[in-house]
Amino acid sequence: GQSLEQPSEVTAVEGAIVQINCTYQTSGFYGLSWYQQHDGGAPTFLSYNALDGLEETGRFSSFLSRSDSYGYLLLQELQMKDSASYFCAVGSGYSTLTFGKGTMLLVSP
Amino acid sequence: DAGVIQSPRHEVTEMGQEVTLRCKPISGHDYLFWYRQTMMRGLELLIYFNNNVPIDDSGMPEDRFSAKMPNASFSTLKIQPSEPRDSAVYFCASSPPRGRAVYNEQFFGPGTRLTVL
Repeated sequence: GQSLEQPSEVTAVEGAIVQINCTYQTSGFYGLSWYQQHDGGAPTFLSYNALDGLEETGRFSSFLSRSDSYGYLLLQELQMKDSASYFCAVGSGYSTLTFGKGTMLLVSP
Repeated sequence: DAGVIQSPRHEVTEMGQEVTLRCKPISGHDYLFWYRQTMMRGLELLIYFNNNVPIDDSGMPEDRFSAKMPNASFSTLKIQPSEPRDSAVYFCASSPPRGRAVYNEQFFGPGTRLTVL
């Protein structure tokens, strides 16, 4: 089976940089994804890493180390609208994802 | 594209009643997923379909839950009889066929917030 660990809550101020870590245990690995969910909304896709290294998309970057079963999401130039829950998810095949419990990011002025 | 459509958005019912949740996936997507989200358990996969066929229903909590996908544009999740512990947000998601996407991005609907009294 799969299990993922991520911090339950992270706080930061506007303009800062924050890193949300994710460690996983899985019997099969098809990549690490990150999703964002605002309160009352639906999860939306942010990024995907299949290979080791850093993927950058605007203010957001995601990193993966398969040998360490570890990844992180890096959010730069934080804005108030970034306050949301962030989920890491492991794919065990093309189709299915197992989600972590989520990290609530609180951005203050 | 309209995105994944779910109905109803909110449902309040009494224990013992039948509840039916509906989902229309994005046109052209051949994977459809049903998830349940609660504070305690997070986002759990209940069942998923590929080309209208149920592939894995190991996440369905018990026999009170059933799901169908009669065609490529419609799926239902039914709870009968409902219990207070079924109160949660139920999400439907879809993803495109393998080969059309490098990664398994899933597109979520807005969810149905179910409250069982």
